[in-house]
Amino acid sequence: AQRVTQPEKLLSVFKGAPVELKCNYSYSGSPELFWYVQYSRQRLQLLLRHISRESIKGFTADLNKGETSFHLKKPFAQEEDSAMYYCALNPAKGAQKLVFGQGTRLTINP
Amino acid sequence: ETGVTQSPTHLIKTRGQQVTLRCSSQSGHNTVSWYQQALGQGPQFIFQYYREEENGRGNFPPRFSGLQFPNYSSELNVNALELDDSALYLCASSLSLAVQETQYFGPGTRLLVL
Repeated sequence: AQRVTQPEKLLSVFKGAPVELKCNYSYSGSPELFWYVQYSRQRLQLLLRHISRESIKGFTADLNKGETSFHLKKPFAQEEDSAMYYCALNPAKGAQKLVFGQGTRLTINP
Repeated sequence: ETGVTQSPTHLIKTRGQQVTLRCSSQSGHNTVSWYQQALGQGPQFIFQYYREEENGRGNFPPRFSGLQFPNYSSELNVNALELDDSALYLCASSLSLAVQETQYFGPGTRLLVL
C-alpha cells in the first residue's frame, strides 16, 4: 500500500536558519512526489514536484529512492514561510490520486 | 480566470441524513477530484471524475458517490451520514489527467455531522 509519512507535526525554526521538512514514502513503483503548502486563510496549493526539479520560493526537494525520502529544504527561512506543508505521492499513471502525509506545521520565529 | 469554487462553505447535518456538496472547476479544466480531510490529517482521496466518468476511487464506501456534469462541475453525495464523516471536503480540478498537470484546490466545505 502507498503511504506518506511526515514524522514532525510541528517544526519551529528561527528566521534565517535552515529548514528541512521530512517526508518518507512507501511505494513499490516509480513515484511522482509533490509538496503542497497551505498558508493561513488560503487554499492548498502546489509548491513543487520532483519531476520538475525546480526551486520555488527558495525551496528544493530531492527524491532519494534508496531512502524513500523526499525532504523539503530551504537554506534560509523567512517569516512568510510559516504555513502547513503536505508531502504527497501520486501512485497512478494517467490519473491524479494523491496520497497525502499528515502535514507539518512550520513556524518561523523572528 | 475563475478559480475552483465550492458550496456551501459550512454545513451541519445529523446522523443518517444525506448531503450534496458542489464544486465548480476552474475554467477549461475537465478533471475533478474530491478529497476528505479530517481534523489534523492530510487530505484523503475519495474519487476522481474525468469528462463525466469516474476515473478511480479511494477507500470509501459506496454511500459516497459523485457526478460530473457536461460543464465539468461536480457533486459529491454522501448518504446515511455517520459522525466520522465530519471533515473538510476538498475539490480539486486540473486541465487533464496528465501527472504533470497541477491540481488546483477549492476552499473546501466543512461538514459537521451531529
